[in-house]
Amino acid sequence: EVQLVQSGGGLVKSGGSLRLSCAASGFTFTSYTMHWVRQAPGKGLEWVSSITSAGSYMYYADSVRGRFTISRDNAKNSLSLQMSSLRAEDTAVYYCARDRGQYNDYEDTFDVWGQGTLVTVSS
Amino acid sequence: EIVLTQSPGTLSLSPGERATLSCRASQTVNNNFLTWYQQKPGQAPRLLIYGASSRATGIPDRFSGSGSGTDFTLTVSRLEPEDFAMYYCQQYGSSPATFGQGTRLDIK
Repeated sequence: EVQLVQSGGGLVKSGGSLRLSCAASGFTFTSYTMHWVRQAPGKGLEWVSSITSAGSYMYYADSVRGRFTISRDNAKNSLSLQMSSLRAEDTAVYYCARDRGQYNDYEDTFDVWGQGTLVTVSS
Repeated sequence: EIVLTQSPGTLSLSPGERATLSCRASQTVNNNFLTWYQQKPGQAPRLLIYGASSRATGIPDRFSGSGSGTDFTLTVSRLEPEDFAMYYCQQYGSSPATFGQGTRLDIK
């Protein structure tokens, strides 16, 4: 079964740091660009960050650039998001997601999603 | 970045009826790279349509997508009880990928 299982998240104070993880199984992890997408409480979806299949290229939304770092460990089939200098507006459910395309044919479409993990930043 | 505006905000229909959801872009979506997702409360989104009109794996054929340029539509031909949910469009033709604010499909 194709699956993304997330861990991490929780309550953190403004200015603090947190690390999210995403464990992949049931597919060839090294073939896919991976993403983080977030959803503030009661709000819509926002793309946060992407990392290409080999980990060569990383992309960030303007709202998180310089504060968040995406990484992957292809030997362990895992994806991470290191978040620092957290702000109240970063409060959201964070989803890891697989790109629908493979290798260089990634599309920034999301066909497999993790279960989501809530990050709450308190002031 | 491209702004996507979905309408209506809420659509109230009965099972068996036809639903038509709209997504309008602030500028042309390159290559009609437009997706639709369904999201139920407490769940992750589910990919329904990509490339404006291609159904994702396992999606029933009552779901169809159409449109080009700046105007796109998701149609559900005959609503089933499990279709009542939030629906989001997303464009991936220009960076950054952006989402619409969503349409809530409610049972009437």
